[in-house]
Amino acid sequence: DIQMTQSPPSLSASAGDRVTITCRTSQSIYKYLNWYQLKPRKAPKLLISGASSLQSGVPSRFSGSGSGTDFTLTISSLQPEDFATYYCQQSHIPPYTFGQGTNLEIK
Amino acid sequence: EVQLVQSGAELKKPGESLRISCQGSGYRFGTYWISWVRLVPGKGLEWMGRFDPTDSNTDYSLSFQGHVAFSGDNSISTAYLQWSSLKASDTAIYFCARQTPQQRYAMDVWGQGTAVTVSS
Repeated sequence: DIQMTQSPPSLSASAGDRVTITCRTSQSIYKYLNWYQLKPRKAPKLLISGASSLQSGVPSRFSGSGSGTDFTLTISSLQPEDFATYYCQQSHIPPYTFGQGTNLEIK
Repeated sequence: EVQLVQSGAELKKPGESLRISCQGSGYRFGTYWISWVRLVPGKGLEWMGRFDPTDSNTDYSLSFQGHVAFSGDNSISTAYLQWSSLKASDTAIYFCARQTPQQRYAMDVWGQGTAVTVSS
């Protein structure tokens, strides 16, 4: 199985801050990397697919980059609605493993 | 509107069987895989496996193989996740999600989740 190492596990930040979450994989997954946002009592929401393709309706303050084994999710200016848990996921080879999650909290 | 609608919350006893459903609408159900994802409160998301409505082919994560089964009925655009003998450790929220090669197999549409509680 492809191992996912997501960091940091938690992050405290303020509205307006720029934050970056990283995801590293145990082998190359080219650009088969996706980012999801999870809020309590809601379904996960796909933010970015293919490492850098922003989903329709997702604010442009979200961006993704990387290829191979190293990837990042950046939120350029945090808004109150962005405080949530974020997961990376590889969709190159089954099982399509998720990272451990990053809990983004209000400072 | 493209959506996946899941069946309601379940309370079961250990050893009981269960089948939960996921019905698609607003798109051609048979043209996308359906993946199942588990969320245990306080833990993370786990991909359980996928079901291909085109040919009923399945792919299970080793962590779940032999304990769950995926199936579907294209005539009613519905996929199923079932257990023959539940354990307390199956207590979780289960999501279905649509997977498409057009987005490098990302899961772009999700059901609302089905909470399963297994307790004696």
